[in-house]
Amino acid sequence: NAGVMQNPRHLVRRRGQEARLRCSPMKGHSHVYWYRQLPEEGLKFMVYLQKENIIDESGMPKERFSAEFPKEGPSILRIQQVVRGDSAAYFCASDRGQETQYFGPGTRLLVL
Amino acid sequence: AQKVTQAQTEISVVEKEDVTLDCVYETRDTTYYLFWYKQPPSGELVFLIRRNSFDEQNEISGRYSWNFQKSTSSFNFTITASQVVDSAVYFCALSVGKYGANSKLTFGKGITLSVRP
Repeated sequence: NAGVMQNPRHLVRRRGQEARLRCSPMKGHSHVYWYRQLPEEGLKFMVYLQKENIIDESGMPKERFSAEFPKEGPSILRIQQVVRGDSAAYFCASDRGQETQYFGPGTRLLVL
Repeated sequence: AQKVTQAQTEISVVEKEDVTLDCVYETRDTTYYLFWYKQPPSGELVFLIRRNSFDEQNEISGRYSWNFQKSTSSFNFTITASQVVDSAVYFCALSVGKYGANSKLTFGKGITLSVRP
């Protein structure tokens, strides 16, 4: 059984570029969550999605960040015009709804 | 609003010592779930345990045990006879609400455990 998959594992971007992070949930899971881990901080919730729906985006920065989980394909977290403060580890988790969330290996984003 | 406090930031022990990691949570919801996750130096997040608010039974899994006490809003984690491989950051987390609502996890800041040979 494949776990939650995230790619790329490491991503380097220059300021002003776009970053696209992908997450494929575990088989049978239809709920996806994105979390961000900034240096010296814990994990912070960003957004919760089900297929084609954003359920809770209360943790998403208001600008430059967006997320989607289309009917087909992985969930995408998109960061436009990246800044140095976006450098962090971005984790995706999945579950079947109100169950245990299983996490992917994370994408380490470095903005130069 | 929900809150998870892990007051210990770093703990260092010698191999074979027992160590307890503390977790205190805050919520007004009566239905909630508590979790522990481990983040080893390789960086991934590994699920360890989940408990719901109606089950206060303590749990033991090998060298790991968990003590859930609603009276003190605590969900502490004990590692018995620690090993070097236990060195990691340990996160306590909370989710609240019924099915489909408020399923996000609120994490504590984590405890860095170092086990020395």
